[in-house]
Amino acid sequence: DSGVTQTPKHLITATGQRVTLRCSPRSGDLSVYWYQQSLDQGLQFLIQYYNGEERAKGNILERFSAQQFPDLHSELNLSSLELGDSALYFCASSAQGRDNSPLHFGNGTRLTVT
Amino acid sequence: GENVEQHPSTLSVQEGDSAVIKCTYSDSASNYFPWYKQELGKGPQLIIDIRSNVGEKKDQRIAVTLNKTAKHFSLHITETQPEDSAVYFCAASNDYKLSFGAGTTVTVRA
Repeated sequence: DSGVTQTPKHLITATGQRVTLRCSPRSGDLSVYWYQQSLDQGLQFLIQYYNGEERAKGNILERFSAQQFPDLHSELNLSSLELGDSALYFCASSAQGRDNSPLHFGNGTRLTVT
Repeated sequence: GENVEQHPSTLSVQEGDSAVIKCTYSDSASNYFPWYKQELGKGPQLIIDIRSNVGEKKDQRIAVTLNKTAKHFSLHITETQPEDSAVYFCAASNDYKLSFGAGTTVTVRA
């Protein structure tokens, strides 16, 4: 168990809808990362937060947004959903905000858009 | 930016044999190289990492080697077991960005 908790585990929704994915980092970790993994695809970096502030942005669509709250949990909001947004969404946390510290991943949220 | 290439994309080995996965990176400033194992239905799990001031690191049946001059690093799994079947990802970081390889699906045949 990595200590990173993601909810829900599964989400099925229709095109055009909006969903919120939630992540609780490991105790003591200040940094949260979001990744997208489509079928047979690698890990695509979306966004990183450190202690409540946005630290880095990757290939995140404008329809997607995220935030990290004062208690350090994070939420990823996906809106105007399209079929192509169906994927596994992973949250990871690390103790520091620098990318050369170990990342610990949650077990992901599987999003299916119908 | 950093580009990490990983080979092979799939690897099938007989139980008890060794498995080797190779990665190359492009950014000479990269200084941290973790390896992750992803089992079906789970998130990637860190299995071993190495920093640029070390050439080799071993943890039981897994080892990682780093050649900074050639900009490549490798994962070695010895005496493979069925539970080693998974997708393995390499990654490289230059302090500011962690870039992942595309993954290697390892299948251990009984």
